[in-house]
Amino acid sequence: EIVLTQSPGTLSLSPGERATLSCRASQSVSSSYLAWYQQKPGQAPRLLICGASSRATGIPDRFSGSGSGTDFTLTISRLEPEDFAVYYCQQYGSSPRYTFGQGTKLEIK
Amino acid sequence: QVQLVQSGAEVKKPGASVKVSCKASGYTFTSYYMHWVRQAPGQGLEWMGIINSSGGSTSYAQKLQGRVTMTRDTSTSTVYMELSSLRSEDTAMYYCARGGYDGNWGPYFDYWGQGSLVTVSS
Repeated sequence: EIVLTQSPGTLSLSPGERATLSCRASQSVSSSYLAWYQQKPGQAPRLLICGASSRATGIPDRFSGSGSGTDFTLTISRLEPEDFAVYYCQQYGSSPRYTFGQGTKLEIK
Repeated sequence: QVQLVQSGAEVKKPGASVKVSCKASGYTFTSYYMHWVRQAPGQGLEWMGIINSSGGSTSYAQKLQGRVTMTRDTSTSTVYMELSSLRSEDTAMYYCARGGYDGNWGPYFDYWGQGSLVTVSS
């Protein structure tokens, strides 16, 4: 089973700053099968990025995804107050199997 | 608009079973797969399994094999997740989430229900 490791565990930044979140896979993952989600307290996760770099419907362009193989990145170019949340990466494997990273908490500094 | 509306919170004793529902609207129900994902308090997300909303075929996470059953009712556009032999570690928020379409499981979950809290306590 592919394990996804996210770093850092917690990221403390101020509004207006740039956030860079990392997701590393234990084996190579097809870019088509890597997604990112945002989860705010008391809410369900929301799909942000699919196919490693494609924004989901309605997602602002300050969110971008990149990477390939075992290293993937979610970047938020200029943090807005509503962006402070927990972010998860997720991959799809055959059988089917789906796994999530443990999450990165983005908090206000 | 796509909506997934789940049933309410449940409190169960260890060893009991729970059945959670997820009613879909705003799209062609039988064209899409549905997943179940759970989240223990303060923890991350765990994929539980997937059901073909058309034919009813399923695939479950190995960890839950034998305890989880997913079904669907096409007449009401509702999917169900039943978990048996409950233990305290099953206390979690349970989410349904829409998956792929046209016969493909799909690599991600594009719409999520609001969650159903299941508490297992004696």
